[in-house]
Amino acid sequence: KQEVTQIPAALSVPEGENLVLNCSFTDSAIYNLQWFRQDPGKGLTSLLLIQSSQREQTSGRLNASLDKSSGRSTLYIAASQPGDSATYLCAVRFFLMYSGGGADGLTFGKGTHLIIQP
Amino acid sequence: AAGVIQSPRHLIKEKRETATLKCYPIPRHDTVYWYQQGPGQDPQFLISFYEKMQSDKGSIPDRFSAQQFSDYHSELNMSSLELGDSALYFCASSLERQDYGYTFGSGTRLTVV
Repeated sequence: KQEVTQIPAALSVPEGENLVLNCSFTDSAIYNLQWFRQDPGKGLTSLLLIQSSQREQTSGRLNASLDKSSGRSTLYIAASQPGDSATYLCAVRFFLMYSGGGADGLTFGKGTHLIIQP
Repeated sequence: AAGVIQSPRHLIKEKRETATLKCYPIPRHDTVYWYQQGPGQDPQFLISFYEKMQSDKGSIPDRFSAQQFSDYHSELNMSSLELGDSALYFCASSLERQDYGYTFGSGTRLTVV
Protein backbone atom coordinates (compact mmCIF):
# COMPACT_ATOMS: atom_id res chain seq x y z
CA LYS A 1 0.00 0.00 0.00
CA GLN A 2 1.27 3.45 -0.87
CA GLU A 3 1.49 5.52 2.31
CA VAL A 4 2.80 8.89 3.41
CA THR A 5 4.05 9.53 6.95
CA GLN A 6 4.85 12.85 8.57
CA ILE A 7 7.02 13.42 11.61
CA PRO A 8 6.56 15.06 14.03
CA ALA A 9 2.80 15.13 14.42
CA ALA A 10 3.07 18.37 16.37
CA LEU A 11 5.78 20.93 16.96
CA SER A 12 5.94 24.07 19.09
CA VAL A 13 8.95 26.38 18.86
CA PRO A 14 9.79 29.99 19.75
CA GLU A 15 9.61 32.62 17.08
CA GLY A 16 12.76 33.05 15.00
CA GLU A 17 13.90 29.44 15.02
CA ASN A 18 14.66 27.47 11.90
CA LEU A 19 12.80 24.18 11.73
CA VAL A 20 12.46 21.05 9.65
CA LEU A 21 9.34 19.02 8.95
CA ASN A 22 9.75 15.48 7.68
CA CYS A 23 7.77 13.42 5.20
CA SER A 24 8.39 9.84 4.13
CA PHE A 25 6.66 7.71 1.52
CA THR A 26 6.63 3.99 0.92
CA ASP A 27 7.00 3.85 -2.86
CA SER A 28 9.65 5.69 -4.83
CA ALA A 29 7.56 5.52 -8.03
CA ILE A 30 6.16 9.02 -7.81
CA TYR A 31 5.31 11.80 -10.22
CA ASN A 32 5.76 14.62 -7.73
CA LEU A 33 5.37 15.71 -4.12
CA GLN A 34 3.53 18.77 -2.90
CA TRP A 35 3.64 20.57 0.44
CA PHE A 36 0.46 22.30 1.60
CA ARG A 37 -0.47 24.57 4.46
CA GLN A 38 -3.86 24.36 6.14
CA ASP A 39 -5.21 26.81 8.69
CA PRO A 40 -7.91 25.49 11.05
CA GLY A 41 -11.15 24.81 9.19
CA LYS A 42 -9.75 26.29 6.00
CA GLY A 43 -8.66 25.07 2.61
CA LEU A 44 -5.31 23.75 1.43
CA THR A 45 -2.77 26.27 0.19
CA SER A 46 -0.02 24.88 -2.01
CA LEU A 47 3.43 25.90 -0.81
CA LEU A 48 5.88 24.00 -2.98
CA LEU A 49 5.72 21.39 -5.74
CA ILE A 50 8.73 19.15 -6.38
CA GLN A 51 8.89 16.98 -9.47
CA SER A 52 10.33 13.48 -9.18
CA SER A 53 13.38 14.60 -11.16
CA GLN A 54 14.11 17.54 -8.87
CA ARG A 55 16.04 17.66 -5.60
CA GLU A 56 14.66 20.85 -4.06
CA GLN A 57 12.42 23.85 -4.49
CA THR A 58 12.56 27.20 -2.72
CA SER A 59 9.98 29.89 -2.08
CA GLY A 60 10.88 32.73 0.25
CA ARG A 61 11.68 31.33 3.68
CA LEU A 62 10.60 27.84 2.63
CA ASN A 63 12.82 25.16 1.13
CA ALA A 64 11.65 21.66 0.28
CA SER A 65 13.97 18.81 -0.59
CA LEU A 66 13.24 15.46 -2.17
CA ASP A 67 15.22 12.22 -1.99
CA LYS A 68 13.13 9.90 -4.09
CA SER A 69 15.36 6.86 -3.68
CA SER A 70 15.06 6.92 0.10
CA GLY A 71 11.43 8.02 0.03
CA ARG A 72 11.91 11.24 1.97
CA SER A 73 11.15 14.91 1.74
CA THR A 74 11.81 17.73 4.17
CA LEU A 75 10.29 21.17 4.48
CA TYR A 76 12.68 23.71 5.95
CA ILE A 77 11.22 26.91 7.39
CA ALA A 78 13.71 29.65 8.11
CA ALA A 79 13.27 32.36 10.74
CA SER A 80 9.84 31.13 11.80
CA GLN A 81 7.09 33.65 12.56
CA PRO A 82 3.81 33.34 14.52
CA GLY A 83 1.97 33.61 11.18
CA ASP A 84 3.56 30.31 10.15
CA SER A 85 1.40 28.51 12.72
CA ALA A 86 -0.73 26.02 10.81
CA THR A 87 -0.89 22.37 9.83
CA TYR A 88 1.58 21.39 7.11
CA LEU A 89 0.60 18.50 4.88
CA CYS A 90 2.82 16.50 2.58
CA ALA A 91 1.08 14.91 -0.42
CA VAL A 92 2.51 12.50 -2.95
CA ARG A 93 1.28 11.78 -6.47
CA PHE A 94 2.14 8.12 -6.88
CA PHE A 95 2.19 6.21 -10.14
CA LEU A 96 -1.19 4.52 -10.46
CA MET A 97 -0.62 0.84 -10.02
CA TYR A 98 -3.94 -0.69 -9.11
CA SER A 99 -6.50 1.58 -10.66
CA GLY A 100 -7.67 1.54 -14.23
CA GLY A 101 -8.17 5.28 -14.33
CA GLY A 102 -6.07 7.96 -15.92
CA ALA A 103 -6.15 10.58 -13.17
CA ASP A 104 -4.51 9.50 -9.96
CA GLY A 105 -5.21 11.13 -6.63
CA LEU A 106 -2.83 12.55 -4.08
CA THR A 107 -1.97 10.56 -0.98
CA PHE A 108 -1.66 12.78 2.06
CA GLY A 109 0.28 12.41 5.26
CA LYS A 110 -1.53 13.19 8.49
CA GLY A 111 0.25 16.51 8.78
CA THR A 112 2.45 18.33 11.26
CA HIS A 113 0.62 20.77 13.51
CA LEU A 114 3.02 23.68 13.95
CA ILE A 115 2.80 26.38 16.61
CA ILE A 116 5.22 29.29 16.59
CA GLN A 117 5.30 31.00 19.97
CA PRO A 118 5.60 34.81 19.90
CA ALA B 1 -5.59 34.36 -11.02
CA ALA B 2 -8.76 32.32 -11.00
CA GLY B 3 -8.97 29.67 -8.32
CA VAL B 4 -11.07 26.59 -7.71
CA ILE B 5 -14.53 27.67 -6.62
CA GLN B 6 -16.67 25.51 -4.36
CA SER B 7 -20.23 26.06 -3.27
CA PRO B 8 -21.79 26.23 -0.84
CA ARG B 9 -19.20 27.11 1.78
CA HIS B 10 -21.30 25.66 4.57
CA LEU B 11 -24.18 23.20 4.54
CA ILE B 12 -26.28 21.77 7.34
CA LYS B 13 -28.43 18.72 6.62
CA GLU B 14 -30.39 16.24 8.65
CA LYS B 15 -29.78 12.51 8.67
CA ARG B 16 -31.14 10.70 5.63
CA GLU B 17 -31.32 13.88 3.60
CA THR B 18 -29.41 14.49 0.37
CA ALA B 19 -26.78 17.11 -0.41
CA THR B 20 -25.17 18.38 -3.60
CA LEU B 21 -21.78 20.05 -3.58
CA LYS B 22 -20.46 21.97 -6.56
CA CYS B 23 -16.96 22.61 -7.84
CA TYR B 24 -15.77 24.93 -10.59
CA PRO B 25 -12.19 24.12 -11.60
CA ILE B 26 -9.56 26.51 -12.82
CA PRO B 27 -10.19 27.31 -16.50
CA ARG B 28 -8.42 24.91 -18.88
CA HIS B 29 -7.76 22.36 -16.15
CA ASP B 30 -8.94 19.00 -17.44
CA THR B 31 -9.01 17.02 -14.19
CA VAL B 32 -11.12 17.34 -11.05
CA TYR B 33 -10.66 15.51 -7.76
CA TRP B 34 -12.87 15.26 -4.69
CA TYR B 35 -11.51 14.76 -1.18
CA GLN B 36 -13.14 14.28 2.22
CA GLN B 37 -11.46 15.51 5.39
CA GLY B 38 -12.99 14.44 8.68
CA PRO B 39 -12.25 16.31 11.94
CA GLY B 40 -8.56 15.97 12.76
CA GLN B 41 -7.98 13.72 9.75
CA ASP B 42 -5.95 14.05 6.58
CA PRO B 43 -7.83 14.46 3.30
CA GLN B 44 -9.04 11.20 1.78
CA PHE B 45 -9.38 10.82 -1.97
CA LEU B 46 -12.95 10.10 -3.10
CA ILE B 47 -13.17 10.27 -6.87
CA SER B 48 -11.65 11.98 -9.89
CA PHE B 49 -12.65 12.95 -13.43
CA TYR B 50 -10.60 13.51 -16.52
CA GLU B 51 -12.19 15.23 -19.48
CA LYS B 52 -15.66 14.66 -18.05
CA MET B 53 -15.16 10.93 -17.59
CA GLN B 54 -14.72 9.25 -14.22
CA SER B 55 -11.12 8.18 -14.04
CA ASP B 56 -10.43 6.87 -10.54
CA LYS B 57 -12.30 6.01 -7.38
CA GLY B 58 -11.01 6.07 -3.86
CA SER B 59 -12.91 5.61 -0.62
CA ILE B 60 -16.21 6.95 -1.90
CA PRO B 61 -19.30 5.37 -0.32
CA ASP B 62 -21.93 3.86 -2.60
CA ARG B 63 -24.36 6.51 -1.29
CA PHE B 64 -22.27 9.16 -3.02
CA SER B 65 -22.02 9.83 -6.71
CA ALA B 66 -20.35 12.49 -8.77
CA GLN B 67 -20.18 13.74 -12.30
CA GLN B 68 -18.41 16.30 -14.41
CA PHE B 69 -20.39 18.37 -16.87
CA SER B 70 -19.65 19.75 -20.32
CA ASP B 71 -18.43 23.05 -18.83
CA TYR B 72 -16.03 21.02 -16.61
CA HIS B 73 -17.74 21.88 -13.36
CA SER B 74 -18.35 18.90 -11.11
CA GLU B 75 -21.00 17.96 -8.58
CA LEU B 76 -20.80 15.54 -5.68
CA ASN B 77 -24.18 14.09 -4.77
CA MET B 78 -24.59 12.59 -1.33
CA SER B 79 -27.69 10.66 -0.35
CA SER B 80 -28.98 9.05 2.84
CA LEU B 81 -26.65 11.26 4.83
CA GLU B 82 -25.20 9.91 8.05
CA LEU B 83 -23.68 11.72 11.02
CA GLY B 84 -20.28 10.39 9.99
CA ASP B 85 -20.50 12.23 6.69
CA SER B 86 -19.89 15.50 8.53
CA ALA B 87 -16.59 16.73 7.14
CA LEU B 88 -14.84 19.23 4.95
CA TYR B 89 -15.19 18.33 1.29
CA PHE B 90 -12.51 19.66 -1.00
CA CYS B 91 -12.36 19.85 -4.72
CA ALA B 92 -9.06 20.18 -6.54
CA SER B 93 -8.26 20.71 -10.17
CA SER B 94 -5.17 20.02 -12.22
CA LEU B 95 -3.92 19.06 -15.62
CA GLU B 96 -3.59 15.38 -16.40
CA ARG B 97 0.10 15.94 -17.09
CA GLN B 98 1.97 14.13 -14.36
CA ASP B 99 4.28 17.07 -13.67
CA TYR B 100 1.42 19.36 -12.68
CA GLY B 101 0.42 20.19 -9.12
CA TYR B 102 -3.06 20.35 -7.63
CA THR B 103 -4.97 23.50 -6.72
CA PHE B 104 -7.57 23.09 -4.02
CA GLY B 105 -10.75 25.02 -3.39
CA SER B 106 -11.66 26.41 0.02
CA GLY B 107 -13.93 23.47 0.68
CA THR B 108 -17.52 22.90 1.72
CA ARG B 109 -18.15 22.20 5.38
CA LEU B 110 -20.99 19.71 5.65
CA THR B 111 -22.63 19.18 9.02
CA VAL B 112 -25.14 16.37 9.37
CA VAL B 113 -27.40 16.65 12.40
